[in-house]
Amino acid sequence: AQSVTQPDIHITVSEGASLELRCNYSYGATPYLFWYVQSPGQGLQLLLKYFSGDTLVQGIKGFEAEFKRSQSSFNLRKPSVHWSDAAEYFCAVVPGGSYIPTFGRGTSLIVHP
Amino acid sequence: GAVVSQHPSRVICKSGTSVKIECRSLDFQATTMFWYRQFPKQSLMLMATSNEGSKATYEQGVEKDKFLINHASLTLSTLTVTSAHPEDSSFYICSGGLEANEQFFGPGTRLTVL
Repeated sequence: AQSVTQPDIHITVSEGASLELRCNYSYGATPYLFWYVQSPGQGLQLLLKYFSGDTLVQGIKGFEAEFKRSQSSFNLRKPSVHWSDAAEYFCAVVPGGSYIPTFGRGTSLIVHP
Repeated sequence: GAVVSQHPSRVICKSGTSVKIECRSLDFQATTMFWYRQFPKQSLMLMATSNEGSKATYEQGVEKDKFLINHASLTLSTLTVTSAHPEDSSFYICSGGLEANEQFFGPGTRLTVL
C-alpha cells in the first residue's frame, strides 16, 4: 500500500544545533514531494518541494531537503535551528498523475534554549 | 505563492446547529479545492474534493449529508457541518492549487461544538 512515514513523533534539539527530520515513502514511481510546517492553530506553510531535477532542494527559512531515490526518502535538514522553528512538520507526497497529497503523521520539533 | 483564506478562523456553536466555513482563493482560480480535518496532534485527513460546478467527492467514511460542500465559483468553496455534535469539534483546513500537483492551504478553522 502507498504510504508516507515520518518515524519520529517528537524531536528535541538545542537552539543552534543541526536538525534532520526523516520522511520515507512507499510508491511505485517517484512522486512529487513536499515539506510543510504548521505552527499551533495555524494552517500549513510550504517549506520546499521536489518535482524533478537536482535532488537537493533549497527552501524557505534556511531549510533544505534531499531526495534519495534508492532509499525512498526525502529528509528535511537545517544546519542551525532557531527557537522560532519549533512547530509541527509534515511530509507530503503526491503520486504522479494525481493531485491529492498524502501526509505523514507529522514530527513535532521542540527547541531548547 | 497563491493565497487561500478561510472564514471564520474560530467558531463555537451549540450541539444541533449548523456551521458554515468558507474557503476562498484570493489571487487565483481553483476548479478544485480540498477539505481536510485535523485532530489534535494528528495529521491532516482528506475529507472531500470540492469541484466547481459539480458534486463533491467524499472520502470513504465521510458522511456527505453531514458535511455539505458547495463549490459555487472558481474562488469559493464552503463546508457546512450540519447538526453539529461535540465529536465534530476539530480543525478544518481547505486547500486549492494553481497546478494539479501543488496545493496552497488556508489558515484553518477551529470548530468547537458545545
